[in-house]
Amino acid sequence: QSVLTQPPSVSGAPGQRVTISCTGSSSDIGAGYDVHWYQHLSGTAPKLLIYRNTNRPSGVPDRFSGSKSGTSASLAITGLQPEDEGDYYCQSYDSSPSAAYVFGTGTKVTVL
Amino acid sequence: QLQMEESGPGLVKPSETLSLTCTVSGGSISSNNHYWGWIRQPPGKGLEWMGNMYYSGSTYYNPSLKGRVTISMDMSKNQFFLRLSSVTAADTAVYYCVSIDMVPDCFDPWGQGTLVTVSS
Repeated sequence: QSVLTQPPSVSGAPGQRVTISCTGSSSDIGAGYDVHWYQHLSGTAPKLLIYRNTNRPSGVPDRFSGSKSGTSASLAITGLQPEDEGDYYCQSYDSSPSAAYVFGTGTKVTVL
Repeated sequence: QLQMEESGPGLVKPSETLSLTCTVSGGSISSNNHYWGWIRQPPGKGLEWMGNMYYSGSTYYNPSLKGRVTISMDMSKNQFFLRLSSVTAADTAVYYCVSIDMVPDCFDPWGQGTLVTVSS
């Protein structure tokens, strides 16, 4: 079963822009399956941040944006805020060899 | 607004069956727009999708769990359940129940999660 690859950590000062990559393969992201992003802040339930590659649920600040190209996707946080510190996961679907939803390895965002 | 809450034993012995309940509020699990599922996260590791269930009774499981997982539901109580058999220490994890909106097929919302430790 594939796992999507993310950098273990990224960091930035308040107000800066950070990006998190999510690398998959031809059986998941590259097969055309959507990528979703989740934010997991300490002590809270994971929360949907971006759905279907680029869309923000209502209530998610517009400093969060997503993109997808080929076998990869990215999450960008512009104007980084202290409350953005936490873990971020991408998620897609893997069609081969076993059909399953798959997650990224997770990225810890630190606000310096 | 859907809300999910997990409950169940925090400690399970090796070789036994782990059983958890998810209570859903703010919506009905008989909705034809949602699946209901479980995701887990072992300490220090990534997220793993375990399986989904549709109100019709259809189930979809992660093949990596090799037939050990069963998801069921009780519509009268608006609850769904997870059973994981023959557990080992590797099944120690925080278990989350989730709702899956069929469109756009993503996990939202999540419960707070419950830690289950497998130990004798």
